[in-house]
Amino acid sequence: ILNVEQSPQSLHVQEGDSTNFTCSFPSSNFYALHWYRWETAKSPEALFVMTLNGDEKKKGRISATLNTKEGYSYLYIKGSQPEDSATYLCASYNNAGNMLTFGGGTRLMVKP
Amino acid sequence: DAGITQSPRHKVTETGTPVTLRCHQTENHRYMYWYRQDPGHGLRLIHYSYGVKDTDKGEVSDGYSVSRSKTEDFLLTLESATSSQTSVYFCAISESGGGRAEQYFGPGTRLTVT
Repeated sequence: ILNVEQSPQSLHVQEGDSTNFTCSFPSSNFYALHWYRWETAKSPEALFVMTLNGDEKKKGRISATLNTKEGYSYLYIKGSQPEDSATYLCASYNNAGNMLTFGGGTRLMVKP
Repeated sequence: DAGITQSPRHKVTETGTPVTLRCHQTENHRYMYWYRQDPGHGLRLIHYSYGVKDTDKGEVSDGYSVSRSKTEDFLLTLESATSSQTSVYFCAISESGGGRAEQYFGPGTRLTVT
């Protein structure tokens, strides 16, 4: 079972602020890193799946980077909006475990 | 939205009774998963299936069994429910395994064991 950690656990920002949070995962046997967005009362929705060291992916104002050698990924949100309020989950997949292991999530709250 | 439904959406049951949760998909995806979500633990994998009648254990499989007799249906059974199994259960599907395919989640089932 992998140890996937996310920080911070929660974050309050003002509308228009840019923000970022971290996902740490074991670098050994790394295979893939997933980011999901989870709004209250809904289901998690995939944002990115990243596999290569140095990968950078972008979807609108949200982007993510991946460092597989040191075992971390950053998620960035530029110009946060109230509709960005959600819990952001990362999950790591490695070849030893053959399953996605999720972190505890970062809960983002954007104030208008 | 991926076509995934879960039933029931809410259930209250008593300790010691068997409970079966159903996940149904219309996407013809090969892989299906059952997770539980608890405060402080995020999502934890219970069991998964990589094809009809092909299943394997996840991180927290004790006290749970699964069956997949058709591509579209994946059943999760609590043989004898306990209070520690009070949780929100999510089903997910993916086109392929191996970690490179994103997973699509169902709406969840809230189970309370009294």
